[in-house]
Order: sequence, then structure tokens, then C-alpha cells
Amino acid sequence: GENVEQHPSTLSVQEGDSAVIKCTYSDSASNYFPWYKQELGKRPQLIIDIRSNVGEKKDQRIAVTLNKTAKHFSLHITETQPEDSAVYFCAASPGELTGGGNKLTFGTGTQLKVEL
Amino acid sequence: GAGVSQSPSNKVTEKGKDVELRCDPISGHTALYWYRQSLGQGLEFLIYFQGNSAPDKSGLPSDRFSAERTGGSVSTLTIQRTQQEDSAVYLCASSFTGTRANEQFFGPGTRLTVL
Repeated sequence: GENVEQHPSTLSVQEGDSAVIKCTYSDSASNYFPWYKQELGKRPQLIIDIRSNVGEKKDQRIAVTLNKTAKHFSLHITETQPEDSAVYFCAASPGELTGGGNKLTFGTGTQLKVEL
Repeated sequence: GAGVSQSPSNKVTEKGKDVELRCDPISGHTALYWYRQSLGQGLEFLIYFQGNSAPDKSGLPSDRFSAERTGGSVSTLTIQRTQQEDSAVYLCASSFTGTRANEQFFGPGTRLTVL
């Protein structure tokens, strides 16, 4: 089955700096890669996702890059703010087209702390 | 509209007892998922329902775990003879289905504590 590894497990940055979180996956059939943000005691919420037919996607201060050949994808947050502090999870899914269903395999999470 | 809801929000039980956790998906979502999140860990897939197809049970950790989805809407996750290692937050999610993967919307979770 799919295995997703995520690094680093904790990341501390100064407000205004950039943060990068990296994930690798093992199953070449995976073609959908969402990123979720989970604040303490709250539910995970999707912040951005990317499909395997594109290499990069951007939404304001957040961007995700995907390298299918190397089987890795990364989350980039620019101009970090204190409200970006949370746990971020990457995930991978084979998607429904391949018959693998849409079940997500998650990384172990990155605790991001943005310091003033 | 209303998001995914789960009940109860917290459940404390004694080892060996059975528990039922409920999930109400977003109206119109045909896919429903259960995940488990242990303290400080990532989310672990348990089971996936899609329309009228047979559920994907490949993530259930033991035969003490089962789930059903009635009428294509509400789902119940049942854990029989609970063990202390079952303590975790159980999260439900729902999504549309189609030829491509769709965003999964999560519920607030049920925090299960087995004493």
C-alpha cells in the first residue's frame, strides 16, 4: 500500500519568513495530493491540493509543488503569520479513476510555529 | 450549508465495552470515510463507503471494528470489546465522487477514551 513520509516533524520560523514542508510517497498510482491544516483541538481543513497532471499550484501565500518522477511534493508558505501556526498534514490518494478509491494516506504531520 | 457532524464529541468507556460512533455527512456527498488520529499522530484510514458499492474495509485494524452506512447517508462505526489502544480521535469525512478525487470535508471528531 501507499506510504507517505513527511519532514520536518516540527518547524519554527520567524514571522515574515518562508516555511517549507516536504513529503514523499511510494505508490506511483497516487495522483491526488492534498494538504490539510489542523489547529489545536479542531478538525483538519484543506488548504490546497494538487493533481498529478500539474507541477505547481499557488493560492496567495501558499504553493504546492509536485515531482512525479521523484515521488515528492512540497508545501511552501511565504510571509508567514502567527495564525499560520498549526499542524500541517500532507496526503496522497490514487483517486477514483484508477479504481483505488479516494482514501487518503497521510503523513505524520508538521507542527509549524510562527514566532513574533 | 451544514458541515459534517459527529456524535458524541467525547466518549469515555471501560475496557471491554462496546461503543458506537455516529457520522452525518454533508447532504449530497456520496462518499464517506472514517479515519483515526492517535495523540500526536497523523490520520489513519479505517474504512470508505462510496455510493452503493461494497465498502473498502482495508484499514480496519481488527475484527472488533465494523461500520455501516444506512440509506447512503448516516454512518455508524462500532468498536466491540474496546481496548486501551483504541483510545484516539475518530474522524469522519465526506466528499462528492466522480472520475477524479474530490476534497474531503472532515467532521469535528469523536474523542474516545478507553479506561
